[in-house]
Amino acid sequence: NAGVTQTPKFRILKIGQSMTLQCAQDMNHNYMYWYRQDPGMGLKLIYYSVGAGITDKGEVPNGYNVSRSTTEDFPLRLELAAPSQTSVYFCASSSGGLYGYTFGSGTRLTVV
Amino acid sequence: EDKVVQSPLSLVVHEGDTVTLNCSYEVTNFRSLLWYKQEKKAPTFLFMLTSSGIEKKSGRLSSILDKKELFSILNITATQTGDSAIYLCAVDDGGSQGNLIFGKGTKLSVKP
Repeated sequence: NAGVTQTPKFRILKIGQSMTLQCAQDMNHNYMYWYRQDPGMGLKLIYYSVGAGITDKGEVPNGYNVSRSTTEDFPLRLELAAPSQTSVYFCASSSGGLYGYTFGSGTRLTVV
Repeated sequence: EDKVVQSPLSLVVHEGDTVTLNCSYEVTNFRSLLWYKQEKKAPTFLFMLTSSGIEKKSGRLSSILDKKELFSILNITATQTGDSAIYLCAVDDGGSQGNLIFGKGTKLSVKP
């Protein structure tokens, strides 16, 4: 099915390790987002992109980096994992119109 | 600072009950308000509201927006155990990045 594909679904990292969370969409959406969701805290925006080559920080960008070399892909990089980054990460995309977001299925990350 | 506040944060009801979930917001430039249902994985889209007083319905779920009082409600009638989920309210602040501001969610548990 078309939509937003996130990988991996689960990951355990040791403190100080690095990893990339992958996100791809096949709907030709210009807007893409990375959120983290902590229990009872709703969704917090990490980074977003309004098109290929354009990215910007959201509410909680520290400890993360992104790139957007193509319309389809929007990977999220964690360089030095910390326990505070234990969370569920969601990628989402949007056409920018009045249609809301399409979310990926999420990545549950645990840093130990 | 733009914010979205949902209440209650959690709710336990029995099958057949009717529930009302609340969402109030303060944003600089309102464009739309969205409701999502989140079960085990990604949030799924329920409604988008842009105009005051016009009820959106989908089966046993309905929602309405009051732009004067800056709130929305989500009603679920004749609740079923399958309605158990976190219900997220989000507001599109009309910014160029198309970002949504999320509330913390209401966790609804429907007991048999």
